[in-house]
Amino acid sequence: GAGVSQSPSNKVTEKGKDVELRCDPISGHTALYWYRQRLGQGLEFLIYFQGNSAPDKSGLPSDRFSAERTGESVSTLTIQRTQQEDSAVYLCASSLASSRGSDSFYEQYFGPGTRLTVT
Amino acid sequence: AQTVTQSQPEMSVQEAETVTLSCTYDTSESNYYLFWYKQPPSRQMILVIRQEAYKQQNATENRFSVNFQKAAKSFSLKISDSQLGDTAMYFCAFMMNYGGSQGNLIFGKGTKLSVKP
Repeated sequence: GAGVSQSPSNKVTEKGKDVELRCDPISGHTALYWYRQRLGQGLEFLIYFQGNSAPDKSGLPSDRFSAERTGESVSTLTIQRTQQEDSAVYLCASSLASSRGSDSFYEQYFGPGTRLTVT
Repeated sequence: AQTVTQSQPEMSVQEAETVTLSCTYDTSESNYYLFWYKQPPSRQMILVIRQEAYKQQNATENRFSVNFQKAAKSFSLKISDSQLGDTAMYFCAFMMNYGGSQGNLIFGKGTKLSVKP
């Protein structure tokens, strides 16, 4: 079946502009995660959605970052007034994880990421 | 807060040989998962192997196995019979298990593995 898809694959923007990054999770996956990967670094958690709600926004680095999810499907990560330090690969992952109680393990499946370059 | 440390930024191995990648982590929790992910140049994160903290037996997946030392908070990955396709960044990761829901992944900085012919 189709995996997690992200668009655009690459985005170059000027400092100060707003950008929107899109994630299409695997159909039926209730949980969705956004991560950021700076050059030469591991992934940093940004935000987690369960359904359309975001119970954990603790990783968002500033109020310039926001995200939403609609229809328990597609998610958009928006960065306002981009700065050069926002340059990174933004990865999305989805899983079947449910908060309703289960000892089962739910793997996070990752998309290919969006490489954002702020000039 | 949980942290994951990978002390080897780069490693290389000859094809068909065995290599071990190191990972240590810090947590005060007892119920969690540990993972090794592979990231080839395509950027696609691929789950290699996982270990549940409550299991004493080390996980294995074909040529990949782990040495999980819970008391020492150590979680190393051994790759046997290395293949050229194993060339990639390898990330160690930690995830809380809240007994019904799961947390986000916490990653180390990665080890770049090169397999040489």
